[in-house]
Amino acid sequence: DSGVTQTPKHLITATGQRVTLRCSPRSGDLSVYWYQQSLDQGLQFLIHYYNGEERAKGNILERFSAQQFPDLHSELNLSSLELGDSALYFCASSAGTSGDEQFFGPGTRLTVL
Amino acid sequence: AQSVAQPEDQVNVAEGNPLTVKCTYSVSGNPYLFWYVQYPNRGLQFLLKYITGDNLVKGSYGFEAEFNKSQTSFHLKKPSALVSDSALYFCAVRDLNDNFNKFYFGSGTKLNVKP
Repeated sequence: DSGVTQTPKHLITATGQRVTLRCSPRSGDLSVYWYQQSLDQGLQFLIHYYNGEERAKGNILERFSAQQFPDLHSELNLSSLELGDSALYFCASSAGTSGDEQFFGPGTRLTVL
Repeated sequence: AQSVAQPEDQVNVAEGNPLTVKCTYSVSGNPYLFWYVQYPNRGLQFLLKYITGDNLVKGSYGFEAEFNKSQTSFHLKKPSALVSDSALYFCAVRDLNDNFNKFYFGSGTKLNVKP
């Protein structure tokens, strides 16, 4: 158990809908990262927050957004969902930002029908 | 552009034999290098990292990796493979000269250890 929690575990929705994925980092970790893992794209970095501030953006679509709240939990919002958004979404946390290893949550499996 | 490559989609090895999973990287500055393992339907687990210092890094479950600056490689090794090592392995890199808040992951290598 990494100490990172993600909810929900599974999510099934329809095209055009909007969903919110939630992540609670390990106790004391200030950084939260979001990743998308799909069969054809591999593991793609989406976005990184550190202590409430956005620090880096990766391959995140404009339909996607995220935030980190004062209690350090984070939410990833996915809107106008398309079939291709079906994937595993992982959250990871680390203590800081530089050389610290990341601890990954169990993931949320999103299925868009 | 910064990137990391895992040239082998799959590595097959017999139990008890040594294993190597390859990783090469391309960054403009000095790299932070990481290896992670993913078991089916699970999140990634940290194995080891290279930040600075000794080029040979030892990590969890008997794994080690060697940082080779001239070859820009960070191959993962284990002297004697176990069937339970079968999993998906990811190499990752951070570039200190870039926005080092970005993490670049390789495409993953599936390790199959046969009894």
